[in-house]
Amino acid sequence: AQTVTQSQPEMSVQEAETVTLSCTYDTSESDYYLFWYKQPPSRQMILVIRQEAYKQQNATENRFSVNFQKAAKSFSLKISDSQLGDAAMYFCAYRMGTSYGKLTFGQGTILTVHP
Amino acid sequence: NAGVTQTPKFQVLKTGQSMTLQCAQDMNHEYMSWYRQDPGMGLRLIHYSVGAGITDQGEVPNGYNVSRSTTEDFPLRLLSAAPSQTSVYFCASSYSQADSGNTIYFGEGSWLTVV
Repeated sequence: AQTVTQSQPEMSVQEAETVTLSCTYDTSESDYYLFWYKQPPSRQMILVIRQEAYKQQNATENRFSVNFQKAAKSFSLKISDSQLGDAAMYFCAYRMGTSYGKLTFGQGTILTVHP
Repeated sequence: NAGVTQTPKFQVLKTGQSMTLQCAQDMNHEYMSWYRQDPGMGLRLIHYSVGAGITDQGEVPNGYNVSRSTTEDFPLRLLSAAPSQTSVYFCASSYSQADSGNTIYFGEGSWLTVV
């Protein structure tokens, strides 16, 4: 079975600084996708960024980027120029290629942004 | 555009009572799923469906039943509620797409407390 591990229960960053959230996963599949979701206190699940395993280029969405290390099975999220609105729980998630709608989540990392 | 709608948002049950969490989507998505979120454990898949009339178990199916009589609806039934089922429940839906990484849409969550 696939597993996703987030080893940082909590992280903090100063406003305008950069922070990196870690995620490792375990799978024997070659076709899969990786995601980072943001969950603010409202509990809404917001997709931040996704990465296709077959793509070597790291995904980027504005201030959010990933460092995808396929051989090491590592998928970290970098948030640049952190803003107060970035404060939330962040989940790393894995999806096997054709298993649409079936996500395996990590335990989550609570991110605090200090003004 | 309603997206994924869950009802109720909050519910308190007594041990042994039964109830149904409703989930409806208006996007004609084939895939629908139910997750539960517990502290320190991220979201875990309870049941999922790949289309009307087809359901399957996820990671933590015990104590829950589902059915999918229409594309739009995917109710989750608790037949005899237990305190261990106190959690936040999320319904999600998505298309199956041949391109990379289909978007999964989440409902706003249902808070269930079993006393």
